[in-house]
Amino acid sequence: DSGVTQTPKHLITATGQRVTLRCSPRSGDLSVYWYQQSLDQGLQFLIQYYNGEERAKGNILERFSAQQFPDLHSELNLSSLELGDSALYFCASSPGWETQYFGPGTRLLVL
Amino acid sequence: AQSVTQLDSQVPVFEEAPVELRCNYSSSVSVYLFWYVQYPNQGLQLLLKYLSGSTLVKGINGFEAEFNKSQTSFHLRKPSVHISDTAEYFCAVSPYGGSQGNLIFGKGTKLSVKP
Repeated sequence: DSGVTQTPKHLITATGQRVTLRCSPRSGDLSVYWYQQSLDQGLQFLIQYYNGEERAKGNILERFSAQQFPDLHSELNLSSLELGDSALYFCASSPGWETQYFGPGTRLLVL
Repeated sequence: AQSVTQLDSQVPVFEEAPVELRCNYSSSVSVYLFWYVQYPNQGLQLLLKYLSGSTLVKGINGFEAEFNKSQTSFHLRKPSVHISDTAEYFCAVSPYGGSQGNLIFGKGTKLSVKP
């Protein structure tokens, strides 16, 4: 157990819908990262927050957004969902930026 | 920009045999190097990391990796594998000294250990 929790574990929704994925980092970790794992793209970095502020952006679509709250939990919002958004979404946390600890992931299926 | 190449997508091996999973990277700056393991239906677990110092790094579950700067490689090895090592292994890099630290992953190598 990495200490990072993600909810929900599974999510099934329809195209065009909006979903919110939640991540609670390890106690004391200020950095939160979001990654997407799909069969065709592999593991891709989406976005990083550090102590409530956006720190880095990767291959994140404009339909996707994230935020980190004062209690350091983070949410990833996915809107106008398409079939191709079906993937495993991981959250990771880090005390700084050297070592990341991954949560179990949220498996999203868009039908 | 950085990129990571894992040269083998699948590696079948018999139990108690040695294994090497290959990883090469490309970067215009110095990088930290990592190996993560993903067991079926689970998240990623850190196996080992190279930040600085000795180029031979020992990790959990008997794995080790050697950083070779001239060959830009970070191959993962285990002298004797077990059935329980069956999983997907990911090599990753992050730029050294930055304040971001996002990981760039390879495509993964599926290790299949047969009895």
